Amino acid sequence: KQEVTQIPAALSVPEGENLVLNCSFTDSAIYNLQWFRQDPGKGLTSLLLIQSSQREQTSGRLNASLDKSSGRSTLYIAASQPGDSATYLCAVDSNYQLIWGAGTKLIIKP
Amino acid sequence: DAMVIQNPRYQVTQFGKPVTLSCSQTLNHNVMYWYQQKSSQAPKLLFHYYDKDFNNEADTPDNFQSRRPNTSFCFLDIRSPGLGDAAMYLCATSRETSGTPGDTQYFGPGTRLTVL
Repeated sequence: KQEVTQIPAALSVPEGENLVLNCSFTDSAIYNLQWFRQDPGKGLTSLLLIQSSQREQTSGRLNASLDKSSGRSTLYIAASQPGDSATYLCAVDSNYQLIWGAGTKLIIKP
Repeated sequence: DAMVIQNPRYQVTQFGKPVTLSCSQTLNHNVMYWYQQKSSQAPKLLFHYYDKDFNNEADTPDNFQSRRPNTSFCFLDIRSPGLGDAAMYLCATSRETSGTPGDTQYFGPGTRLTVL
């Protein structure tokens, strides 16, 4: 059974720092992996989708990597801004459904 | 240019009083999903439709029902809400079901349900 874990559960960093969020999964047989952002009380916004054949995807200050063999993905945020404060969730497309991590709550301090 | 719309954004109901949540989409996607998300937890899939085909998750309580009268609309009915059903309910759509390369789910803003 696929399980997705995100560490840390919460992270607080000063504005301007680069940071890495981690996602690990137990079964490497995945179709793709996605990173989502969720603002408090709001829905989910897809940030990056990495297909199983890909190693990374980039969008602006965000870079997501995927290492299927080790069951890991990272979301790198460069030059963090207070507007980046949100909960970041990763989801693995596995066995015809999305399996979700519980998220990392990120706070960027001005 | 909202693509997945949920109404209402906030819903308050009384214990045991039926409630219906609404979702509509302008993407013409085949698949519509309903998720339940409690505070600081991952979203939990309740069920999904592929076109008119309904797929219920094994652990979704019978108290939760859904209807999809056409491609654009999908409803979540909670027949007798309990205190434990208070949560954010998220609707999502995708072109195809999971496992399609490059496909992603588009989420609505959610409906926050409070049960008194």
